[in-house]
Amino acid sequence: QVQLQELGPGLVEPSGTLSLICNVSGDSIRNYYWGWVRQPAGKGLELIGRIYSNGSPNYNPSLKSRVTMSVDTSKNQVSLKMSSVTAADTAVYYCVRAASVGAVRVYAFDMWGQGRLVTVSS
Amino acid sequence: DIQMTQSPSSLSVSIGDRVTVTCRASHSIVTYLNWYQHKPGEAPHLLIYGASTLQSGVPSRFSGSGSGTDFTLTITTLQPEDFATYYCQQSYGTTWTFGQGTKVEVK
Repeated sequence: QVQLQELGPGLVEPSGTLSLICNVSGDSIRNYYWGWVRQPAGKGLELIGRIYSNGSPNYNPSLKSRVTMSVDTSKNQVSLKMSSVTAADTAVYYCVRAASVGAVRVYAFDMWGQGRLVTVSS
Repeated sequence: DIQMTQSPSSLSVSIGDRVTVTCRASHSIVTYLNWYQHKPGEAPHLLIYGASTLQSGVPSRFSGSGSGTDFTLTITTLQPEDFATYYCQQSYGTTWTFGQGTKVEVK
């Protein structure tokens, strides 16, 4: 059974760097896309970016200048770093797996972590 | 980038009602369209992928249709556990995006 667990500080100071790790258990991270999705309170889901297990990232254009994602296949982990955070970055951050599913071979987020609330405040 | 627009943004419905949620893409995404259900305090989960294929374990009262730019999620005979927010998401092209969500609420 695949499980994703988001780890990292729940409080980050304004202008600081948000750092989260997604620990993946139950399957290898190889041959999948991995991503981060966030949801500010009272708002919808926003895809921050995705990265293939070989390390090729694709970021949301609105966040691209502040975001770095990476994979560590030896630890079966995916990481997210977001710099220069403000209160607007306060949200629940989800780690997600994107798999090519079904006969149609479409990529969908088939596995989600439980989410990590990150608050940006001094 | 491809923009996804859902309508309505919210729906007030009763148990047993038929519910229809629409998602429109700014450019053709063929059938690279997925639907998710999200309940407060829980992680979202995948309902439908490829516009019309039910994820394993999803009840058959859920269905999806559409291709190109216009897609629909239908829930026949709404059940109490279906009150949630529903999101469409496209995985066509370089940058993937979610719709803004449709909240299905109790009338």
